[in-house]
Amino acid sequence: AQSVTQLDSQVPVFEEAPVELRCNYSSSVSVYLFWYVQYPNQGLQLLLKYLSGSTLVKGINGFEAEFNKSQTSFHLRKPSVHISDTAEYFCAVSGHPAGGNEKLTFGTGTRLTIIP
Amino acid sequence: EPEVTQTPSHQVTQMGQEVILRCVPISNHLYFYWYRQILGQKVEFLVSFYNNEISEKSEIFDDQFSVERPDGSNFTLKIRSTKLEDSAMYFCASSEETEGTDTQYFGPGTRLTVL
Repeated sequence: AQSVTQLDSQVPVFEEAPVELRCNYSSSVSVYLFWYVQYPNQGLQLLLKYLSGSTLVKGINGFEAEFNKSQTSFHLRKPSVHISDTAEYFCAVSGHPAGGNEKLTFGTGTRLTIIP
Repeated sequence: EPEVTQTPSHQVTQMGQEVILRCVPISNHLYFYWYRQILGQKVEFLVSFYNNEISEKSEIFDDQFSVERPDGSNFTLKIRSTKLEDSAMYFCASSEETEGTDTQYFGPGTRLTVL
């Protein structure tokens, strides 16, 4: 079984400042890692994912995340945020599929608020 | 760009009534999922579906819930007798069969309100 911890429920950041949203996971097997974004009144949109290979992954809208196996972390970063980045961000994990695509286990989410 | 669609966007029902939530997954996808998000809580897995049968279900997915792929395009979630605690946003997702990809694409959700 897997679990995901997002310690920060809310993160306020000034516009054009950098941001880091933290995500830690727990799993007894190898995992795939994801960040999804949920804009107000919308569904979940994939920001980026780590499957294998380079531990630094780049996603849409200028976001990137780094997989750190020793620290079981997958923190999301952006060097300069915009008002349009205001949203809820969810970290998720799935176990390596054994003959099929496995379910996602989500964290509780981090609400990113950009201050003008 | 292909996307997952869900109808209705908002469903209001009385406790004890049956509801059917509908989803149209991305056309070449073969794995289908339902998740739900109770207001203020995390997104929780309900059920996954592949090759016309349930591949995995959570503890939440009890006998009151069922899923069906009635034709080549729709994927439905039925709640037989709704309870107040079923009020939530329900998300449908789909993914390709390609092993290792494991990227699930989500629909916009159906907000279910049980009165």
